[in-house]
Amino acid sequence: EVQLVESGGGLVQPGGPLTLSCAASGFTFTKYWLSWVRQAPGKGLEWVANINLGGTEKNYVDSVKGRFIVSRDNAENSLYLQMNSLRADDTAIYYCARVLPDGFMDYWGQGTLVTVSS
Amino acid sequence: DTQMTQSPSTLSASVGDRVTITCRAGQTIGTRLAWYQQKPGKAPKLLIYKASSLESGVPSRFSGSGSGTEFTLTISSLQPDDFATYYCQQYNSYSWTFGQGTKVDIK
Repeated sequence: EVQLVESGGGLVQPGGPLTLSCAASGFTFTKYWLSWVRQAPGKGLEWVANINLGGTEKNYVDSVKGRFIVSRDNAENSLYLQMNSLRADDTAIYYCARVLPDGFMDYWGQGTLVTVSS
Repeated sequence: DTQMTQSPSTLSASVGDRVTITCRAGQTIGTRLAWYQQKPGKAPKLLIYKASSLESGVPSRFSGSGSGTEFTLTISSLQPDDFATYYCQQYNSYSWTFGQGTKVDIK
């Protein structure tokens, strides 16, 4: 059974850092791109970042470029999102998702909530 | 980035109704479009990919169509389990975007 489990969310002060993790199981991790998608409270979905099989290609939504870094550890079957210089508008549930060829996402984690507030 | 515009934002319907949601892309994306269903407090669920391919396990009352810039998601006969929010997503490039969502609620 494919499983994606996010962790690392919590309350962080504006300007601070936070790193999210996503532990994957039930599939061959190295055969799939992965992605982070977020959802602000009461709002729609926003794609945040994706990463290719070997971790050498990464893409980001403009609003997080230069602040967030996506990475993966293929030995540990884990995906990460390092978030720096956090702002109030980064407050959201962050989901990790498995990406099928082309770019649609077939499995999603349950999400982890990040709250940026003083 | 390719902007995606869904309409309507909210749709009130009854069980058994035929429901259609439209998604327009700001530039042509071929058939690189997916549809997701999301219920409150839950992660999104993939329904349709490549504009018209039904994801395994998704009921056949869901269908997708379109290409280029105009796409539709149709529910042929709305069921109680279908009251949810629906999102389109384009994956034409490596910078992806979602529509703003369409909430389907009970009339």
